[in-house]
Amino acid sequence: GAVVSQHPSWVICKSGTSVKIECRSLDFQATTMFWYRQFPKQSLMLMATSNEGSKATYEQGVEKDKFLINHASLTLSTLTVTSAHPEDSSFYICSASRLAGELYYEQYFGPGTRLTVT
Amino acid sequence: SQQGEEDPQALSIQEGENATMNCSYKTSINNLQWYRQNSGRGLVHLILIRSNEREKHSGRLRVTLDTSKKSSSLLITASRAADTASYFCATDVEAAGNKLTFGGGTRVLVKP
Repeated sequence: GAVVSQHPSWVICKSGTSVKIECRSLDFQATTMFWYRQFPKQSLMLMATSNEGSKATYEQGVEKDKFLINHASLTLSTLTVTSAHPEDSSFYICSASRLAGELYYEQYFGPGTRLTVT
Repeated sequence: SQQGEEDPQALSIQEGENATMNCSYKTSINNLQWYRQNSGRGLVHLILIRSNEREKHSGRLRVTLDTSKKSSSLLITASRAADTASYFCATDVEAAGNKLTFGGGTRVLVKP
C-alpha cells in the first residue's frame, strides 16, 4: 500500500505556457501533500505544503502566483507552473503524508515529473 | 535552507565493501529518515529512526542516531551494484508540522 502517482512523468513545454502536474495517493487518503523541486545533482527543496481544502503554504522564496497548488480532495493535489520559463525546468516531486505510527507521519513519494521548458 | 548536511558528497566502492555516509543537522528533530533515489527517479523510503532511538537495522542497512551530536549515519553492508544511487537523509523537525528537510545527499557508486 501507500502508492503515490504523478502525471505526467515528463513534459516539454514552450516558454510562456502553463503546465499542470497531478499528484495522487492511490490507496490512502492524505490530508497533507508536499511539493518539492530538484535540480540536477542536487537535493530536494520543499516548495509548498498542501492541505486538503485550504490554501497551500509556500516556502520562503517560492512564488505562489507562479506555482499554483490546488488540493481539491484527500487523494489529489495539483501543481500548475504558470508562464513557464527555461529556469523552471526541473524535476518536480510530490509526496503524500499518512499517519504511520504513534505521533509520526510518513511521507510517500511520487515518481516525479521532469519538466523541460524550451 | 537545508537542515541536513551529508558527508561524503560522493562515494565509490567495490561490490562487497561497506558504504558509510553521515548526516548532520541543526535543530531538534522528531525523527530522521533515509531515502534512496536512483537517477531520475522518485524516492524510496529506507528507514526511519526516532529521536529516542540510537540504532536501527533493516536488512543490510544500519542506521545510528546521536542526538547529542545532531548526527546520523547510514551503513550499507556487503554492497551490490544495485545499491548505486543517491542517498538522502531527511529530518522531521519538531514544531515544523511534519515537513521534511533534506540533506544534500551522498552519491554512491558501487563498482562490480
